[in-house]
Amino acid sequence: GAVVSQHPSRVICKSGTSVKIECRSLDFQATTMFWYRQFPKKSLMLMATSNEGSKATYEQGVEKDKFLINHASLTLSTLTVTSAHPEDSSFYICSASGYRGQTEAFFGQGTRLTVV
Amino acid sequence: QKEVEQNSGPLSVPEGAIASLNCTYSDRGSQSFFWYRQYSGKSPELIMSIYSNGDKEDGRFTAQLNKASQYVSLLIRDSQPSDSATYLCAVSNSNSGYALNFGKGTSLLVTP
Repeated sequence: GAVVSQHPSRVICKSGTSVKIECRSLDFQATTMFWYRQFPKKSLMLMATSNEGSKATYEQGVEKDKFLINHASLTLSTLTVTSAHPEDSSFYICSASGYRGQTEAFFGQGTRLTVV
Repeated sequence: QKEVEQNSGPLSVPEGAIASLNCTYSDRGSQSFFWYRQYSGKSPELIMSIYSNGDKEDGRFTAQLNKASQYVSLLIRDSQPSDSATYLCAVSNSNSGYALNFGKGTSLLVTP
């Protein structure tokens, strides 16, 4: 149990384009989903927290107009990086909690975004 | 800023030995404590969760929590080369919607 699937695993896009990343909880309904980014040799930094049917809560310094988060159902959240630039290149990882009513968070496989 | 501190390492132990990983946190309101393992280029994998003071054992792994000292540790017995990875300590509480606050991780190298 507790499988979280993230897609795509790798994406290369041109500067100025938008990229959508999907995060799905496959075998449980996720009460909350979280989006992180990780730079090389650095720890995970929380970008935003999303609950189904409500607006995401963004961490300080994260541009909500640039990183659009939609949590349309209890099993799906999406992160869209709009007008991507090379500095947005990073490893983006989602996690979901709520498995068996617990607070433990399980992570998707991550998406390696490269903006050229 | 709520801090989670870990020694970055690398921590090197021989195969078969016990690896001891430590973590301190600053937020006394922290309620949930986790250890994740992350291999290079991969996403974190949950190893242990602990919520109350004391020890919690799962196979070769033992998590220890001391809330008074704001300290959580992970012991890995009979370390294997496949245990070589970065170990992330994370804490959360209900005030932040149980979002995880991660330490920077400790790099563990188990040598054959």
